Amino acid sequence: AQKVTQAQTEISVVEKEDVTLDCVYETRDTTYYLFWYKQPPSGELVFLIRRNSFDEQNEISGRYSWNFQKSTSSFNFTITASQVVDSAVYFCALSEAKGSSNTGKLIFGQGTTLQVKP
Amino acid sequence: DSGVTQTPKHLITATGQRVTLRCSPRSGDLSVYWYQQSLDQGLQFLIHYYNGEERAKGNILERFSAQQFPDLHSELNLSSLELGDSALYFCASSLGVANTGELFFGEGSRLTVL
Repeated sequence: AQKVTQAQTEISVVEKEDVTLDCVYETRDTTYYLFWYKQPPSGELVFLIRRNSFDEQNEISGRYSWNFQKSTSSFNFTITASQVVDSAVYFCALSEAKGSSNTGKLIFGQGTTLQVKP
Repeated sequence: DSGVTQTPKHLITATGQRVTLRCSPRSGDLSVYWYQQSLDQGLQFLIHYYNGEERAKGNILERFSAQQFPDLHSELNLSSLELGDSALYFCASSLGVANTGELFFGEGSRLTVL
Protein backbone atom coordinates (compact mmCIF):
# COMPACT_ATOMS: atom_id res chain seq x y z
CA ALA A 1 0.00 0.00 0.00
CA GLN A 2 1.08 3.54 -0.59
CA LYS A 3 1.94 5.70 2.36
CA VAL A 4 3.47 9.07 3.12
CA THR A 5 5.08 9.80 6.46
CA GLN A 6 5.92 13.23 7.75
CA ALA A 7 7.46 12.43 11.09
CA GLN A 8 7.75 16.05 12.21
CA THR A 9 4.40 17.16 13.57
CA GLU A 10 5.47 20.67 14.51
CA ILE A 11 8.60 22.71 13.94
CA SER A 12 9.32 26.10 15.41
CA VAL A 13 12.17 28.28 14.17
CA VAL A 14 13.23 31.86 14.45
CA GLU A 15 13.10 34.03 11.38
CA LYS A 16 16.10 33.68 9.04
CA GLU A 17 16.87 30.16 10.20
CA ASP A 18 16.94 27.39 7.61
CA VAL A 19 14.48 24.57 8.13
CA THR A 20 14.04 21.17 6.50
CA LEU A 21 10.75 19.32 6.40
CA ASP A 22 11.08 15.57 6.02
CA CYS A 23 8.94 13.32 3.86
CA VAL A 24 9.30 9.57 3.46
CA TYR A 25 7.06 7.61 1.13
CA GLU A 26 6.22 4.01 0.36
CA THR A 27 5.03 2.71 -2.97
CA ARG A 28 5.40 -0.34 -5.17
CA ASP A 29 4.83 1.67 -8.32
CA THR A 30 7.80 2.38 -10.54
CA THR A 31 6.12 5.50 -11.86
CA TYR A 32 4.70 7.92 -9.36
CA TYR A 33 4.54 11.60 -8.57
CA LEU A 34 5.46 13.46 -5.42
CA PHE A 35 4.10 16.82 -4.38
CA TRP A 36 4.43 19.44 -1.70
CA TYR A 37 1.49 21.63 -0.78
CA LYS A 38 1.32 24.55 1.63
CA GLN A 39 -1.76 25.26 3.73
CA PRO A 40 -1.57 28.73 5.28
CA PRO A 41 -3.88 29.72 8.17
CA SER A 42 -6.49 30.84 5.64
CA GLY A 43 -6.98 27.17 4.77
CA GLU A 44 -6.46 26.82 1.04
CA LEU A 45 -4.01 24.30 -0.39
CA VAL A 46 -1.26 25.91 -2.40
CA PHE A 47 0.78 23.83 -4.82
CA LEU A 48 4.55 24.15 -4.37
CA ILE A 49 6.20 21.46 -6.45
CA ARG A 50 5.67 18.23 -8.39
CA ARG A 51 8.30 15.61 -9.07
CA ASN A 52 8.02 12.42 -11.07
CA SER A 53 9.83 9.28 -10.06
CA PHE A 54 12.24 9.41 -12.99
CA ASP A 55 13.56 12.85 -12.19
CA GLU A 56 15.88 12.84 -9.21
CA GLN A 57 17.35 16.22 -9.93
CA ASN A 58 17.13 18.54 -6.96
CA GLU A 59 15.22 21.73 -7.50
CA ILE A 60 15.60 25.22 -6.15
CA SER A 61 13.00 27.93 -6.39
CA GLY A 62 14.02 31.07 -4.57
CA ARG A 63 14.29 30.24 -0.88
CA TYR A 64 12.74 26.81 -1.43
CA SER A 65 14.64 23.68 -2.39
CA TRP A 66 13.73 20.04 -2.65
CA ASN A 67 15.89 16.95 -2.29
CA PHE A 68 14.47 13.80 -3.89
CA GLN A 69 16.30 10.55 -3.14
CA LYS A 70 14.77 7.36 -4.46
CA SER A 71 17.33 5.25 -2.62
CA THR A 72 15.89 6.37 0.71
CA SER A 73 12.33 7.05 -0.57
CA SER A 74 12.56 10.59 0.66
CA PHE A 75 11.46 13.93 -0.74
CA ASN A 76 12.60 16.59 1.71
CA PHE A 77 11.81 20.29 1.54
CA THR A 78 14.13 23.03 2.77
CA ILE A 79 13.26 26.65 3.35
CA THR A 80 16.31 28.88 3.50
CA ALA A 81 16.23 32.08 5.55
CA SER A 82 12.72 31.42 6.78
CA GLN A 83 10.22 34.24 7.10
CA VAL A 84 7.14 34.71 9.24
CA VAL A 85 4.98 34.34 6.11
CA ASP A 86 6.28 30.79 5.74
CA SER A 87 4.26 29.80 8.81
CA ALA A 88 1.81 27.19 7.58
CA VAL A 89 1.10 23.49 7.46
CA TYR A 90 3.09 21.74 4.77
CA PHE A 91 1.92 18.52 3.20
CA CYS A 92 3.86 16.01 1.21
CA ALA A 93 1.78 13.86 -1.13
CA LEU A 94 2.21 10.86 -3.38
CA SER A 95 0.04 10.12 -6.34
CA GLU A 96 -0.89 6.91 -8.02
CA ALA A 97 0.19 6.70 -11.60
CA LYS A 98 -1.33 5.04 -14.61
CA GLY A 99 1.32 4.76 -17.25
CA SER A 100 3.15 8.03 -17.25
CA SER A 101 0.26 10.05 -15.89
CA ASN A 102 -0.75 11.14 -12.44
CA THR A 103 -4.21 9.84 -11.55
CA GLY A 104 -4.96 12.76 -9.30
CA LYS A 105 -5.59 10.48 -6.36
CA LEU A 106 -3.16 11.94 -3.87
CA ILE A 107 -2.07 10.23 -0.68
CA PHE A 108 -1.16 12.93 1.78
CA GLY A 109 1.11 12.81 4.78
CA GLN A 110 -0.19 14.09 8.09
CA GLY A 111 1.45 17.45 7.56
CA THR A 112 4.11 19.43 9.38
CA THR A 113 3.12 22.65 11.10
CA LEU A 114 5.87 25.19 10.70
CA GLN A 115 5.92 28.21 12.96
CA VAL A 116 8.39 30.94 12.13
CA LYS A 117 8.82 33.42 14.96
CA PRO A 118 10.01 36.97 14.37
CA ASP B 1 -6.60 32.23 -6.94
CA SER B 2 -6.64 28.66 -8.28
CA GLY B 3 -9.73 29.21 -10.42
CA VAL B 4 -11.65 26.49 -8.57
CA THR B 5 -14.74 27.83 -6.81
CA GLN B 6 -16.39 26.13 -3.88
CA THR B 7 -19.61 27.09 -2.15
CA PRO B 8 -20.54 27.51 0.58
CA LYS B 9 -17.33 28.45 2.36
CA HIS B 10 -18.81 27.69 5.75
CA LEU B 11 -21.78 25.58 6.74
CA ILE B 12 -23.16 24.75 10.17
CA THR B 13 -25.84 22.12 10.50
CA ALA B 14 -27.21 19.52 12.88
CA THR B 15 -26.77 15.78 13.11
CA GLY B 16 -29.07 13.84 10.83
CA GLN B 17 -29.31 16.61 8.27
CA ARG B 18 -28.27 16.61 4.62
CA VAL B 19 -26.07 19.17 2.88
CA THR B 20 -24.79 19.77 -0.63
CA LEU B 21 -21.38 21.20 -1.40
CA ARG B 22 -20.78 22.68 -4.80
CA CYS B 23 -17.64 22.96 -6.90
CA SER B 24 -16.94 24.76 -10.15
CA PRO B 25 -13.69 23.59 -11.72
CA ARG B 26 -11.21 25.79 -13.55
CA SER B 27 -12.33 26.73 -17.00
CA GLY B 28 -11.53 23.89 -19.37
CA ASP B 29 -10.81 21.30 -16.69
CA LEU B 30 -12.76 18.08 -17.12
CA SER B 31 -11.72 16.29 -13.94
CA VAL B 32 -13.03 17.06 -10.48
CA TYR B 33 -11.74 15.50 -7.29
CA TRP B 34 -13.16 15.69 -3.78
CA TYR B 35 -11.00 15.49 -0.67
CA GLN B 36 -11.88 15.57 3.02
CA GLN B 37 -9.62 17.09 5.66
CA SER B 38 -10.46 16.17 9.23
CA LEU B 39 -8.45 16.33 12.44
CA ASP B 40 -8.34 12.59 12.95
CA GLN B 41 -8.07 11.33 9.36
CA GLY B 42 -6.04 14.11 7.78
CA LEU B 43 -6.46 14.77 4.06
CA GLN B 44 -8.21 11.91 2.29
CA PHE B 45 -9.27 11.35 -1.28
CA LEU B 46 -12.99 10.79 -1.65
CA ILE B 47 -13.92 10.54 -5.31
CA HIS B 48 -12.92 11.54 -8.85
CA TYR B 49 -15.17 12.46 -11.76
CA TYR B 50 -14.11 12.98 -15.33
CA ASN B 51 -16.46 14.59 -17.83
CA GLY B 52 -19.50 13.42 -15.91
CA GLU B 53 -18.34 9.89 -15.18
CA GLU B 54 -17.09 8.50 -11.89
CA ARG B 55 -13.48 7.35 -12.36
CA ALA B 56 -12.18 6.48 -8.91
CA LYS B 57 -13.45 6.13 -5.39
CA GLY B 58 -11.52 6.48 -2.21
CA ASN B 59 -12.64 6.41 1.40
CA ILE B 60 -16.09 7.78 0.73
CA LEU B 61 -18.89 6.78 3.07
CA GLU B 62 -22.11 5.32 1.69
CA ARG B 63 -23.95 8.30 3.18
CA PHE B 64 -21.99 10.51 0.81
CA SER B 65 -22.54 10.77 -2.92
CA ALA B 66 -21.29 12.98 -5.69
CA GLN B 67 -22.01 13.80 -9.27
CA GLN B 68 -20.63 15.90 -12.06
CA PHE B 69 -23.06 17.72 -14.29
CA PRO B 70 -22.91 18.43 -18.04
CA ASP B 71 -21.58 21.93 -17.34
CA LEU B 72 -18.77 20.16 -15.41
CA HIS B 73 -19.60 21.55 -11.99
CA SER B 74 -19.77 18.95 -9.27
CA GLU B 75 -21.78 18.47 -6.12
CA LEU B 76 -20.94 16.43 -3.05
CA ASN B 77 -24.01 15.35 -1.09
CA LEU B 78 -23.60 14.42 2.55
CA SER B 79 -26.58 12.88 4.30
CA SER B 80 -27.51 11.59 7.78
CA LEU B 81 -24.74 13.79 9.06
CA GLU B 82 -22.79 12.78 12.14
CA LEU B 83 -20.51 14.81 14.37
CA GLY B 84 -17.51 13.08 12.81
CA ASP B 85 -18.39 14.46 9.39
CA SER B 86 -17.25 17.88 10.52
CA ALA B 87 -14.34 18.64 8.24
CA LEU B 88 -12.96 20.83 5.50
CA TYR B 89 -14.02 19.51 2.12
CA PHE B 90 -11.83 20.38 -0.81
CA CYS B 91 -12.56 20.20 -4.47
CA ALA B 92 -9.73 20.08 -6.99
CA SER B 93 -9.67 20.05 -10.75
CA SER B 94 -7.35 19.12 -13.56
CA LEU B 95 -7.50 19.12 -17.32
CA GLY B 96 -7.65 15.44 -18.15
CA VAL B 97 -8.57 12.12 -16.63
CA ALA B 98 -4.90 11.76 -15.86
CA ASN B 99 -2.20 14.33 -16.17
CA THR B 100 1.39 15.09 -15.33
CA GLY B 101 0.72 18.36 -13.61
CA GLU B 102 -0.68 19.72 -10.43
CA LEU B 103 -4.17 19.56 -9.07
CA PHE B 104 -5.74 22.95 -8.52
CA PHE B 105 -7.55 23.09 -5.19
CA GLY B 106 -10.41 25.32 -4.20
CA GLU B 107 -10.49 27.13 -0.87
CA GLY B 108 -12.62 24.43 0.68
CA SER B 109 -16.02 24.23 2.34
CA ARG B 110 -15.87 24.00 6.10
CA LEU B 111 -18.70 21.86 7.47
CA THR B 112 -19.54 21.91 11.14
CA VAL B 113 -22.04 19.36 12.42
CA LEU B 114 -23.50 20.15 15.83
